[in-house]
Amino acid sequence: NAGVTQTPKFQVLKTGQSMTLQCAQDMNHEYMSWYRQDPGMGLRLIHYSVGAGITDQGEVPNGYNVSRSTTEDFPLRLLSAAPSQTSVYFCASSRTARFEKLFFGSGTQLSVL
Amino acid sequence: AQTVTQSQPEMSVQEAETVTLSCTYDTSENNYYLFWYKQPPSRQMILVIRQEAYKQQNATENRFSVNFQKAAKSFSLKISDSQLGDTAMYFCAFMKRNTGNQFYFGTGTSLTVIP
Repeated sequence: NAGVTQTPKFQVLKTGQSMTLQCAQDMNHEYMSWYRQDPGMGLRLIHYSVGAGITDQGEVPNGYNVSRSTTEDFPLRLLSAAPSQTSVYFCASSRTARFEKLFFGSGTQLSVL
Repeated sequence: AQTVTQSQPEMSVQEAETVTLSCTYDTSENNYYLFWYKQPPSRQMILVIRQEAYKQQNATENRFSVNFQKAAKSFSLKISDSQLGDTAMYFCAFMKRNTGNQFYFGTGTSLTVIP
């Protein structure tokens, strides 16, 4: 079982560059989400999706875009990277959008110079 | 807004001893869930234990148990017979019922188990 797969594991960007963090799950989960983890701040929700074609904003959505064209994939786009977006990013999924165990990917370490 | 507070940034415990990690939360909700997640150096987030607020009985999972005090809004994690593999960051998390799995995490407690 692959579970939740995130790519890349590490990425360095220059300010103003764009990139997409990939997230895929093979468990047929309805719910997918993106978190960022910063030192001393825990994990904060960026965007989430309760099913294909449906996305919504979380706690810290500014500077990020998402789409959910398939059940399996939920990419996170940085349109113009800023140093404040230096963080570790986690994708997580669950079977439904209700009370369910969250399955996490292994994270992407992003540095914006 | 919901807030989750972990007031112990770092803790250590001798192998085979017991340690308790503290967590408090602030909410006006009555139906919610609480979780403890473990993040070892591998960075993987692993669910340790979860508690449903409407259940009075404290959850247990092998060596891990919680002390849930709803009136005090306290949710501490007790690890018994600590093992070297328990060394990790531990995050307390809160989720409102019926809100689409929007978790609110604390800032974490770094636990080191000393041989």
